[in-house]
Amino acid sequence: EAPLVESGGKVVQPGESLRLSCAASGFDFQDYAMHWVRQPPGKGLEWVSVISWDGLIMSYADSMKGRLSVSRDNTERSVHLQMKSLRSEDTAVYFCAKDLAIFGAVGAFDIWGQGTVVTVSS
Amino acid sequence: DIVLTQSPGTLSLSPGERATLSCWASQSVDSDFLAWYQQTPGQSPRLLIHSTSTRATGTPDRFSGSGSGTHFTLTISRLEPEDFAVYYCQQYGFSQGYTFGPGTRVEIK
Repeated sequence: EAPLVESGGKVVQPGESLRLSCAASGFDFQDYAMHWVRQPPGKGLEWVSVISWDGLIMSYADSMKGRLSVSRDNTERSVHLQMKSLRSEDTAVYFCAKDLAIFGAVGAFDIWGQGTVVTVSS
Repeated sequence: DIVLTQSPGTLSLSPGERATLSCWASQSVDSDFLAWYQQTPGQSPRLLIHSTSTRATGTPDRFSGSGSGTHFTLTISRLEPEDFAVYYCQQYGFSQGYTFGPGTRVEIK
């Protein structure tokens, strides 16, 4: 089983909301911060959000600040990204990724999911 | 925010050749917080190097990282067919934020 599996991506209209999920397995999920990174079609990587191992600290990219909410459930070994007021420029593959550093958010991203595709189009 | 630029944008080389990729930062980056990733078409990024020069688990030793301050380098000593990909540098850390460079494409000449 893949260590990180994203879901929830789909085609939505501008202004709509969407919730992405990432299911983790094979590592001590509760000990690591988790990130979301996105990649628009044919473009580079953009960090989106991080949530600390205990779910108490979150941070968001300026480009999406105010439109995002990240959460996690350590019992369910999952992390979620709630996005609202979606725009065409939010169209991208959204990856979740595990922080390398235990009990911190200061590591590189050592495990990545396969990504889930979000398309914002009317 | 720290801005990362990478050069060259595209590197055209033959298998067996040496590749040198550069990553430049708009301000000094702590060498403990600089990473390199590899991405092949249709795949997720893969961590190659973190903390400037520490190879991630499974990274072949033909990959090496170096640098300090505002200039960092990823070197591939002898290109293998599977190394033709896009490479991203990244600076990371909760207090300094998380930024990726635009990427360098290494293509077969």
